[in-house]
Amino acid sequence: DIQMTQSPSSLSASVGDRVTITCRASQTISSYLNWYQQKSGNAPKLLIYAASKLQSGVPSRFTGRGAGTGFTLTINSVQPDDFAVYYCQQSYTTPRTFGGGTRVE
Amino acid sequence: QVQLQESGPGLVKPSQTLSLICSVSGGSINTRDYYWSWLRQSPGKGLEWLGYIYYSGTTHYNPSLESRLTISMDTSNNQFSLILTSVTAADTAVYYCARDVSTSWTKWFDPWGQGLLVTVSS
Repeated sequence: DIQMTQSPSSLSASVGDRVTITCRASQTISSYLNWYQQKSGNAPKLLIYAASKLQSGVPSRFTGRGAGTGFTLTINSVQPDDFAVYYCQQSYTTPRTFGGGTRVE
Repeated sequence: QVQLQESGPGLVKPSQTLSLICSVSGGSINTRDYYWSWLRQSPGKGLEWLGYIYYSGTTHYNPSLESRLTISMDTSNNQFSLILTSVTAADTAVYYCARDVSTSWTKWFDPWGQGLLVTVSS
């Protein structure tokens, strides 16, 4: 299985901050990388697919970059609605696997 | 827009069989455009993809569960289901169903159902 490692596991931010979350794959996954946001008690919600494509309806302050084994999710100017847990997920091969999550608090 | 909803028992005894249904509204599951997946989330193992089914009936399972897992579909009721046998406490999790979007150049899960907490306990 491809292992997905996120860092940090949690971070503290204030409204207006720029935050960056890193995700690393144990082997190359090209651009088969998705990012999800999960708020307490809710299902994960797709933010970014194919490493850098913004899902419809997702604010443009979310940016995804990377390819191969290293990826980042950046939130420019964190808003109150952005405090949540963020997961990366590889879709390069099965079994599809997820990172351990990063809590933005 | 497509919506998914999980249903089933919230409590299952160890060694018994877990059966869940995902009801899909706003779109047909009998389409070559999408796969339909089950996932789960537990404190110990995080988010875990369990498997998917395609409109043709083709299935693909996570090898870690393949011997205990069956996914099937009922196109007449626009539902797909999960059966997990010989459950243990390790199968306690929130179970999600999701539409599995697969193109020639990428794949992702969207949307997801709201999730159903299943506890394995006597």
